[in-house]
Amino acid sequence: GAGVSQTPSNKVTEKGKYVELRCDPISGHTALYWYRQSLGQGPEFLIYFQGTGAADDSGLPNDRFFAVRPEGSVSTLKIQRTERGDSAVYLCASSQTGVGQPQHFGDGTRLSIL
Amino acid sequence: DQQVKQNSPSLSVQEGRISILNCDYTNSMFDYFLWYKKYPAEGPTFLISISSIKDKNEDGRFTVFLNKSAKHLSLHIVPSQPGDSAVYFCAARRDSSYKLIFGSGTRLLVRP
Repeated sequence: GAGVSQTPSNKVTEKGKYVELRCDPISGHTALYWYRQSLGQGPEFLIYFQGTGAADDSGLPNDRFFAVRPEGSVSTLKIQRTERGDSAVYLCASSQTGVGQPQHFGDGTRLSIL
Repeated sequence: DQQVKQNSPSLSVQEGRISILNCDYTNSMFDYFLWYKKYPAEGPTFLISISSIKDKNEDGRFTVFLNKSAKHLSLHIVPSQPGDSAVYFCAARRDSSYKLIFGSGTRLLVRP
C-alpha cells in the first residue's frame, strides 16, 4: 500500500508485560514520528526520527518507552513493564523533510493494558 | 498547559451550509498550522495547512484563515456535505521543531 502501515491494529496485554508496536512509513519519507492519543484528546507527540537517529525524543513519558529505526525505514516503539495508563491509540506518521511538508498518519495501534 | 485549543467539542450544521471550526493558540512562536480530519478507527488525514506569513489558504471547499494578532485560526467548509462528518483537529508547529501540537478536536456532524 501507499500509506503508513501500523501493526498490530489492536493489542491487548496484561499489566507488566512488554509490547512492541511497528510502523512502516511511506516509501521515501525520511522523517518518522510517533504520537499517542488518549480518548477525547488530540494526538500527543512522543518521538521524531530523521533517518535512523532520534532527532527529538522529548515526548517520551519515561524510560519505559523506547523507539528505534535501525535502517531508516521501519520503526518499532517498545514499551516495557506496561501500566494501565499506557492504554491509548499509538499513531505513527511520516513525511518528507522540509518546511511545509505535512505528516501522513497510519491508522494506529489500539493498546489496551488489563 | 494547552498551547492549542479547540473550545467547541462538537458542531452540527445542515448539508449545503457553511461549517466553521475554530482554533486558538497561545505560543507566538508557532509558524505553521494544519488541519486534520479523522474518521473512527482511522488515523488523522491531512486536510489543509497555512504558513504564518499568510492569512488565508484555500483548497476547493476548504479555506483556512489565520489571524496572528488574535492567535486564532479557523477552517471553513462550504458547502458542507454529510461525508464531512468527522472529528477535525487543529495542529501547530514551530519552525525549529517538526513535532505537531494538536488541539483536542471538534466533532462535526453534517445533517442531510
